[in-house]
Amino acid sequence: AQTVTQSQPEMSVQEAETVTLSCTYDTSESNYYLFWYKQPPSRQMILVIRQEAYKQQNATENRFSVNFQKAAKSFSLKISDSQLGDTAMYFCAFTGTASKLTFGTGTRLQVTL
Amino acid sequence: EAGVAQSPRYKIIEKRQSVAFWCNPISGHATLYWYQQILGQGPKLLIQFQNNGVVDDSQLPKDRFSAERLKGVDSTLKIQPAKLEDSAVYLCASSLDWDRGDEQFFGPGTRLTVL
Repeated sequence: AQTVTQSQPEMSVQEAETVTLSCTYDTSESNYYLFWYKQPPSRQMILVIRQEAYKQQNATENRFSVNFQKAAKSFSLKISDSQLGDTAMYFCAFTGTASKLTFGTGTRLQVTL
Repeated sequence: EAGVAQSPRYKIIEKRQSVAFWCNPISGHATLYWYQQILGQGPKLLIQFQNNGVVDDSQLPKDRFSAERLKGVDSTLKIQPAKLEDSAVYLCASSLDWDRGDEQFFGPGTRLTVL
């Protein structure tokens, strides 16, 4: 069974600074997808960024980028130029051949002035 | 484009009572998911539909939970009878298809409190 581990329950960053959220996963599969989802307070969960395991290039979406280390089974999210609107729970998630999303326990990110 | 709709947004019931949640996915999305998100945890998949057929219900407690997807569009999730440990947010999501890389679009969720 696949597992996803987020070891940072809470993090804080000042506006305009950079923060990195950690995620590790365990799987025996070779082809899979990894995701970061954002869940703002009292709002819907939305996709932040997606990475295909067979692609070596790290995915980027504007201020969001990932550091995908396949051998280490690590998938961290970097948020540059943090904004107040980035305050949310961030979930790392995995999907393999079963096409079923497995989520980590989340990291609560607080962006401060 | 309208998002995933869910109702009700909040529900409080006594243990052993029944409750039902409704979900309307994004138009044209073939795959629909129900997740249970207990406070402090990530969402856990309960059931996945492809059109009106069940793809995965391995984590659905079938002795008390049931779900159906009417005509491959709307879906209802029912709990009968509810237990205290069922207190959670129930999220509905949909995706265009069930390819692994497809983005899932989530609804606002139904927060269930069982007293």
